Amino acid sequence: GAVVSQHPSRVICKSGTSVKIECRSLDFQATTMFWYRQFPKKSLMLMATSNEGSKATYEQGVEKDKFLINHASLTLSTLTVTSAHPEDSSFYICSAKQWVGYEQYFGPGTRLTVT
Amino acid sequence: AQSVTQLDSQVPVFEEAPVELRCNYSSSVSVYLFWYVQYPNQGLQLLLKYLSGSTLVKGINGFEAEFNKSQTSFHLRKPSVHISDTAEYFCAVRNPPGDTGRRALTFGSGTRLQVQP
Repeated sequence: GAVVSQHPSRVICKSGTSVKIECRSLDFQATTMFWYRQFPKKSLMLMATSNEGSKATYEQGVEKDKFLINHASLTLSTLTVTSAHPEDSSFYICSAKQWVGYEQYFGPGTRLTVT
Repeated sequence: AQSVTQLDSQVPVFEEAPVELRCNYSSSVSVYLFWYVQYPNQGLQLLLKYLSGSTLVKGINGFEAEFNKSQTSFHLRKPSVHISDTAEYFCAVRNPPGDTGRRALTFGSGTRLQVQP
């Protein structure tokens, strides 16, 4: 149990376009989802925390207008990178948490390459 | 604020040798501690966790870690590594549920374990 999926696993987009990444909890209800960004050979940096049905809370330094997060249902959160630039290229990982408990379940990640 | 320090960015070790990956943390309140493993181009998999109770915790794949409150450490150990253990390992902390601190995990910078034949 407790499986989190991400789609797509890899995406290449042109500079200036927008790309949407989906994060789904497959067998549980995720009241909270987290979005992380991982640079090569670096740790995971929390971008934002989203609770179902409410606005996401962004970490300091993360542009909320550039990284749009929607958590409209208990099983789906989306991250949209708007007007992507090459510096947005990264590995994006989501995790999901149920209402009760502490454990986060991680998705397999999405490799975004902006050309 | 919480922080996690993994002093070793890379740890090379020969197959069947023991290994210890170091993790130190700082926090003004009690924390939960975790170790995750990440294989190339994959997400994170939980190895083990410390919530309370016994300070020695055992995880999957033969790994174990010991919580040392006085030294604020949570080092990961394995008595005999395999080639398949080659991966990136992350130590992480978070506040216990119910605390006013943030619920998200704070990660260390990671340690690359390279097992050589």
